[in-house]
Amino acid sequence: SQELEQSPQSLIVQEGKNLTINCTSSKTLYGLYWYKQKYGEGLIFLMMLQKGGEEKSHEKITAKLDEKKQQSSLHITASQPSHAGIYLCGADGHTGNQFYFGTGTSLTVIP
Amino acid sequence: NAGVTQTPKFQVLKTGQSMTLQCAQDMNHNSMYWYRQDPGMGLRLIYYSASEGTTDKGEVPNGYNVSRLNKREFSLRLESAAPSQTSVYFCASSVGTSGGLTYEQYFGPGTRLTVT
Repeated sequence: SQELEQSPQSLIVQEGKNLTINCTSSKTLYGLYWYKQKYGEGLIFLMMLQKGGEEKSHEKITAKLDEKKQQSSLHITASQPSHAGIYLCGADGHTGNQFYFGTGTSLTVIP
Repeated sequence: NAGVTQTPKFQVLKTGQSMTLQCAQDMNHNSMYWYRQDPGMGLRLIYYSASEGTTDKGEVPNGYNVSRLNKREFSLRLESAAPSQTSVYFCASSVGTSGGLTYEQYFGPGTRLTVT
């Protein structure tokens, strides 16, 4: 099975600060997905990375996939309270249509 | 459009009781998924349906059964609930997969299940 480790488990930052969340896979990734979950709600898709070295941005959030396709980072610039929530990375399994999620990173942004 | 809807939102069961969690999507998606979310463990796939008429086991299928009733609906059944099945259950749908990659998944709001 696919294992995705996220770090840190939780993060508390002051509004305006930058932060980075990491996701490490036990296997080479076909694709790496980032989702955000507001507390008590379902997940919302942020972006997907497929190619080694790929980088994508959406508003103040940038995600990168390393060249070996086993690690991804999610960087938030000038954090805002609206960025608070749980960030989860996800990946396709190597067999069938399995899908795996990481353990999640809980982000709190203090105004 | 409602997107992905789940019923009920909350449920309390006693050990040994059975229940069915309902999920429906109105986006004409081919694939549907059931996940459970437990503290410190992220989301784990229980069952999925790649297309209407097919279902497959995910990472944690024991104690659950599913039915893909039609293209819109995918239900999850607990035949004999156990305290270990206390969790938040999410249904999701997507257009499907291509070349081993899953298209964006759309999630429902979740069902909070407690088994005493």
